[in-house]
Amino acid sequence: NAGVMQNPRHLVRRRGQEARLRCSPMKGHSHVYWYRQLPEEGLKFMVYLQKENIIDESGMPKERFSAEFPKEGPSILRIQQVVRGDSAAYFCASSDSPQRAYGYTFGSGTRLTVV
Amino acid sequence: DQQVKQNSPSLSVQEGRISILNCDYTNSMFDYFLWYKKYPAEGPTFLISISSIKDKNEDGRFTVFLNKSAKHLSLHIVPSQPGDSAVYFCAASAQGGSEKLVFGKGTKLTVNP
Repeated sequence: NAGVMQNPRHLVRRRGQEARLRCSPMKGHSHVYWYRQLPEEGLKFMVYLQKENIIDESGMPKERFSAEFPKEGPSILRIQQVVRGDSAAYFCASSDSPQRAYGYTFGSGTRLTVV
Repeated sequence: DQQVKQNSPSLSVQEGRISILNCDYTNSMFDYFLWYKKYPAEGPTFLISISSIKDKNEDGRFTVFLNKSAKHLSLHIVPSQPGDSAVYFCAASAQGGSEKLVFGKGTKLTVNP
């Protein structure tokens, strides 16, 4: 049973380009969370999605960032017109239901570098 | 405004001894606390959690203690092993908060053979 799969593992983009980060949750999981880790920082919540719905996007920057979790296929975190400050590790996590006692399963992350 | 604080960026202990990692929080609405372990270039891995209705939870070599009045929790690892060397993150969640976690900045634990 594969874990949470994120791709690509590493992504380099020039300033102004678009970045698309993909997350395939564990089989049977319908809840997806995106977190961002800036250098020397902890992980910061960005968005929580269920299939076809955004449940909580309180951590998403107001501009340039969007997320989706379609009925079929992976969840996508999209960053338009990237800037150097977007360079970070982006982690996706999934669960089959909100599980506060056990947290949820994280993927290995996508490391975005903006040059 | 950091709601979850891990004030020690690093900790070094000898193999076989106890490792104590500390975490403080400010938000009284937090009622679930978790510890995650993270190796370089990997995602965080869930380690152990505790509900605010308890003051201790134990799982093998790992024990988490919660002091609600002090808004403080700690993770004890006994005995420490070289394979425990990693970054440990404390995280908290509040009921009704869409299950999102608020993380501390982490403590890098090094266990020396």
